[in-house]
Amino acid sequence: AQSVAQPEDQVNVAEGNPLTVKCTYSVSGNPYLFWYVQYPNRGLQFLLKYITGDNLVKGSYGFEAEFNKSQTSFHLKKPSALVSDSALYFCAVREENNAGNMLTFGGGTRLMVKP
Amino acid sequence: DVKVTQSSRYLVKRTGEKVFLECVQDMDHENMFWYRQDPGLGLRLIYFSYDVKMKEKGDIPEGYSVSREKKERFSLILESASTNQTSMYLCASSPRAGWDTDTQYFGPGTRLTVL
Repeated sequence: AQSVAQPEDQVNVAEGNPLTVKCTYSVSGNPYLFWYVQYPNRGLQFLLKYITGDNLVKGSYGFEAEFNKSQTSFHLKKPSALVSDSALYFCAVREENNAGNMLTFGGGTRLMVKP
Repeated sequence: DVKVTQSSRYLVKRTGEKVFLECVQDMDHENMFWYRQDPGLGLRLIYFSYDVKMKEKGDIPEGYSVSREKKERFSLILESASTNQTSMYLCASSPRAGWDTDTQYFGPGTRLTVL
């Protein structure tokens, strides 16, 4: 079975400071990992994904995430936060051999960036 | 750009009514998904479909059914709406093959209130 955990319901950061949104996962085989962002009253937008290759993945809007197999983590990071980054962030996982491309999502982390 | 549209942004129904939520995608994707989103619970998969007339139960199919008569359209049906089905409903699609096979594209969501 595949599962994902986002241990923080909310992350607060000042504009211009680095941000980290945490995600840990559990799968039987190799993981495919994703980050999505949801702005108010909108659907989810794809940010980035890790399938294979470099552990550091770069995505949209200056975000990046680091795959750490030993810690089973895939934390989302950005060097300098913007107020416009304030949104709900979801981590998702799929096992490599999971047919049907079914993703399992975490509970979400609300990022608040204050001016 | 991939576009996934949902028939309504907001919907208010009464207990016992039959409710239809429609989703259309314009990218010829084989896979389509219905999720519900509740605070703190993230996204939970209700049903998915990997081809026309094909459907598979997700994690929480009870009280729901689906229909996929055409490739571009995936409908979620609440046979007899209940108050515990008040939620945000999100539709998504993804290709079955190719470089983008694991990325799900989401519609804007339908916020359903059952009174």
